[in-house]
Amino acid sequence: KNQVEQSPQSLIILEGKNCTLQCNYTVSPFSNLRWYKQDTGRGPVSLTIMTFSENTKSNGRYTATLDADTKQSSLHITASQLSDSASYICVVSARFGNEKLTFGTGTRLTIIP
Amino acid sequence: NAGVTQTPKFRVLKTGQSMTLLCAQDMNHEYMYWYRQDPGMGLRLIHYSVGEGTTAKGEVPDGYNVSRLKKQNFLLGLESAAPSQTSVYFCASRQTGSTEAFFGQGTRLTVV
Repeated sequence: KNQVEQSPQSLIILEGKNCTLQCNYTVSPFSNLRWYKQDTGRGPVSLTIMTFSENTKSNGRYTATLDADTKQSSLHITASQLSDSASYICVVSARFGNEKLTFGTGTRLTIIP
Repeated sequence: NAGVTQTPKFRVLKTGQSMTLLCAQDMNHEYMYWYRQDPGMGLRLIHYSVGEGTTAKGEVPDGYNVSRLKKQNFLLGLESAAPSQTSVYFCASRQTGSTEAFFGQGTRLTVV
């Protein structure tokens, strides 16, 4: 069964600090992995996509990594801001039958001033 | 360009009542999805559609029905609401060949 597990479930950090969120998956055959940001009361919005051949990708203060061998991804947030407070969801797509996306349960990140 | 729009945003139902949630997208996407999101469980797929006139069951379809009579609309129906269906419901759409899903703003449903 395809599964995506995220850790930690929740995280609280001070504004300006860095943090790293983790995602482990067992989806096969792997197509790509996306990180979504979900603000409170809103739908998720895609932050970045990682394909099989990509190891690292940056989007502003967000840097995603992918290790396809160990089936792990991370999302690193640098110099956190209050607006980074949100849930971050890891979503993995299989290469075939990609009508369905496998969602992680998310990490709830809270930035405090 | 409104993206994905869900109606209504909030609703309270009594047990046994019925209702329909409407999802509309203006991006000409082929794929549309209905998810429910519960604390600690993430997004779970209820039903999905790969094109106009087609629907399929997802992970948690019991108690729900869907219809996709027009490409831009995907309706989610609850025939007899139960307290276990209290949740936040999200609609999403996706273009063929892309794995990026675009989500609506959600519908918070409470069944009492």
